[in-house]
Parts: sequence; C-alpha cells; structure tokens
Amino acid sequence: GVTQSPTHLIKTRGQQVTLRCSSQSGHNTVSWYQQALGQGPQFIFQYYRKEENGRGNFPPRFSGLQFPNYSSELNVNALELDDSALYLCASSIDHRQETQYFGPGTRLLVL
Amino acid sequence: AQSVTQLGSHVSVSEGALVLLRCNYSSSVPPYLFWYVQYPNQGLQLLLKYTSAATLVKGINGFEAEFKKSETSFHLTKPSAHMSDAAEYFCAVSVSSGGGSEKLVFGKGTKLTVNP
Repeated sequence: GVTQSPTHLIKTRGQQVTLRCSSQSGHNTVSWYQQALGQGPQFIFQYYRKEENGRGNFPPRFSGLQFPNYSSELNVNALELDDSALYLCASSIDHRQETQYFGPGTRLLVL
Repeated sequence: AQSVTQLGSHVSVSEGALVLLRCNYSSSVPPYLFWYVQYPNQGLQLLLKYTSAATLVKGINGFEAEFKKSETSFHLTKPSAHMSDAAEYFCAVSVSSGGGSEKLVFGKGTKLTVNP
C-alpha cells in the first residue's frame, strides 16, 4: 500500500519541512492533498513520471519531487500557522483517479 | 467549476437504522464519483466509485450508492448501521487539473454518529 513518513511533525513558523510518500507497487503517479481540520482534502499537486503534472491553488513555497522509484516528497518552505493540517498522498496508475489509493497521512502542526 | 455538495455536516442514526448520506455534484460531463471514509486520526479509505458503468455501485462494508444523472446526485446508503460505521464520509468528483492530469475535488464531509 501507500506509506507516508513521518506520522506526526511539529515545526515552528518560518521553518521548512519535508514529507515523504512511498507509492503502491506499479503506480507511477503521486498526488498530494492538504486537509485542514474539519475540512475536506484540497489538491496541492500531482507528479507523473517525475514531472509536476497539475497544481492546485497553493503558493510556490509548496514544492515537490518524484524519484525514479516513483516515491515522492512534499516540501514546504517558510511555514505559516495555517499550514497546520493533515497531508495526504495518493498514488495511482497513469494519473487515473479510479486507480488511486491514499496513504495514512502526516499530521503537521506549526507553532 | 466541477464541485460536490454534501448536505448535512452531521448525521446521527441508531444502530440498525438506515444510513443515508447525501451528495450532489455539478459537472458538465459525466463525472467519476467517489465516496471515501475517514476514521479518527487516519487517512482516507475508498468505499466505492462510479466510473460510468452500472449506476448502482456496491462498495465495501455493505455500503452502496446510486448515480442519478437527472438529479445530479450520488447518495450513499447502508440498510443497517453498525457502531463501527461511525466516521467521517467524503464525496469526491474527479476533475481535470491541467496537463492531462486529474484531481479529486472533495465535499466538506459528513460526520456519521451511530447511537446504541
């Protein structure tokens, strides 16, 4: 399945954070979502075959990478209090949503 | 823009009663629609999905949903609620996010409480 690390993280405002996601075997697409408390997940961006392939309404300080094994990183610079959320990654085959599965998420708290 | 609306942020039912969670979508083309469940402090688990095959979709844990194009609805039902069904449920629609990619647009969620 899809795994994410770490499970929980506490940072202070202005710091930088890196979250990691290992995709399901055979999946070449990773999507990242931010879920604020009490809200539905919101799309951050998607990586397909190591290239960014679609982005939601998030500023450039949210960036990512996808590696040759299709695992992925989400990097957030200059953390703000509003970045506190559950970050979910999902992997799929050829960016087809009907094949998508989510990981357990990383809960980030920014103080 | 394509979106989903979940009617009722909280739904409370008795154990053994019918569960009905409502979802309406807005889309100019036949969409792919999904229901996910989220247990406390966990990620999202796919319950079922509609991908333009049968309009009545059966999922895991006894849940099913019916796609009704005329009503632009995709309501989730379960005949008999179990205590373990208590969770938050999200309806989502697949939309284009540019560059040939797709993303999920989620509703705000419905928290289901099951009373003994």
